Amino acid sequence: GDSVTQMEGPVTLSEEAFLTINCTYTATGYPSLFWYVQYPGEGLQLLLKATKADDKGSNKGFEATYRKETTSFHLEKGSVQVSDSAVYFCALSEEGNTPLVFGKGTRLSVIA
Amino acid sequence: DTGVSQDPRHKITKRGQNVTFRCDPISEHNRLYWYRQTLGQGPEFLTYFQNEAQLEKSRLLSDRFSAERPKGSFSTLEIQRTEQGDSAMYLCASSPPWGDYGYTFGSGTRLTVV
Repeated sequence: GDSVTQMEGPVTLSEEAFLTINCTYTATGYPSLFWYVQYPGEGLQLLLKATKADDKGSNKGFEATYRKETTSFHLEKGSVQVSDSAVYFCALSEEGNTPLVFGKGTRLSVIA
Repeated sequence: DTGVSQDPRHKITKRGQNVTFRCDPISEHNRLYWYRQTLGQGPEFLTYFQNEAQLEKSRLLSDRFSAERPKGSFSTLEIQRTEQGDSAMYLCASSPPWGDYGYTFGSGTRLTVV
């Protein structure tokens, strides 16, 4: 079945550092790919998405490019802030808005 | 409409008791999903509805679990004869019938079985 693998955390960075969180996937079809973020004490929020190969999703300074050849969707941000501290989840959904399949999540801590 | 609402936010119950959670989706969303999240793990799919029809159930959903969505509006998730292993965050999400693949999640119900 479909699956998502994320780099294990926690990831600890200093403010203004460059962030990469790796995500690779296995799917039978042509899925849509997502990054969700969960801030402390809050629910999951959609951060960005890409629905086809070579699409780039972006939001709040975060970016991820749908790479079909490497089955990857790595999350990047050029300069992290303390407020970016959260758990980040990579996820996929097959065509037709089928239920999301999530990775295990990567906890990011940004220190001033 | 203020998003997906879940009630209660927290529930502590004794092993063997039954519990029921409620989810109110965004009103124009016809799909409703239930997920379970344990500490250090990503959300795991349990079941989902399109309007009042339950379209898919995960193998995680044992016969002690039942979900309903009468009239295609709010949904309830009931766990009978709770076990300590049921302790988790139960998340509800909804999505619209058209594309975009955008889910909106609620804040979840944290269940602790003692």
